[in-house]
Amino acid sequence: DTGVSQDPRHKITKRGQNVTFRCDPISEHNRLYWYRQTLGQGPEFLTYFQNEAQLEKSRLLSDRFSAERPKGSFSTLEIQRTEQGDSAMYLCASSERDRGLANEQFFGPGTRLTVL
Amino acid sequence: GESVGLHLPTLSVQEGDNSIINCAYSNSASDYFIWYKQESGKGPQFIIDIRSNMDKRQGQRVTVLLNKTVKHLSLQIAATQPGDSAVYFCAENPPYNNNDMRFGAGTRLTVKP
Repeated sequence: DTGVSQDPRHKITKRGQNVTFRCDPISEHNRLYWYRQTLGQGPEFLTYFQNEAQLEKSRLLSDRFSAERPKGSFSTLEIQRTEQGDSAMYLCASSERDRGLANEQFFGPGTRLTVL
Repeated sequence: GESVGLHLPTLSVQEGDNSIINCAYSNSASDYFIWYKQESGKGPQFIIDIRSNMDKRQGQRVTVLLNKTVKHLSLQIAATQPGDSAVYFCAENPPYNNNDMRFGAGTRLTVKP
């Protein structure tokens, strides 16, 4: 399978714990995006990387959220001191450098986080 | 703030009929729009996109129409099949940030056999 993969697919944690999710983009894609999706809503943009550079992070939900892409390949999203309101699906997407018309983002299956 | 929204949260159609899913956007400066399909337990899947310099674009069984005058986007699915049952999202890109994709809340399409 050469699509975007995410790990784990499901995570249950207790309030106050830290969690980390991993995303492996499509190998030739240099752009990587993180989104959050709550039930019944569309994905909400959080941050994105071009190669290893994080070019947009102002939309991260709070300073408890951080993301890295140290070698320009896989990325991690960490949530510190989780709260019940963090329960959601966390989606990762990747795309090639904008080729004019298309900026097609390919999404992974998501990590569903439940904070008890 | 400005946001992307949808007219109907649910749509039910008979197999074989055509489906029309609507979307209203409020940022008149947005210049790129995408329709995504999301099946249960999966991430969104790209269906079709359109730039603001176009008013219609066709794909395989799908057509996207853009009416910039009333800031309205629609997705037409021809000969709807059970496999088309999913939630459909429209998304817009404001021109100042090509990577800032704004999604609406989605429309659930159910295809009855």
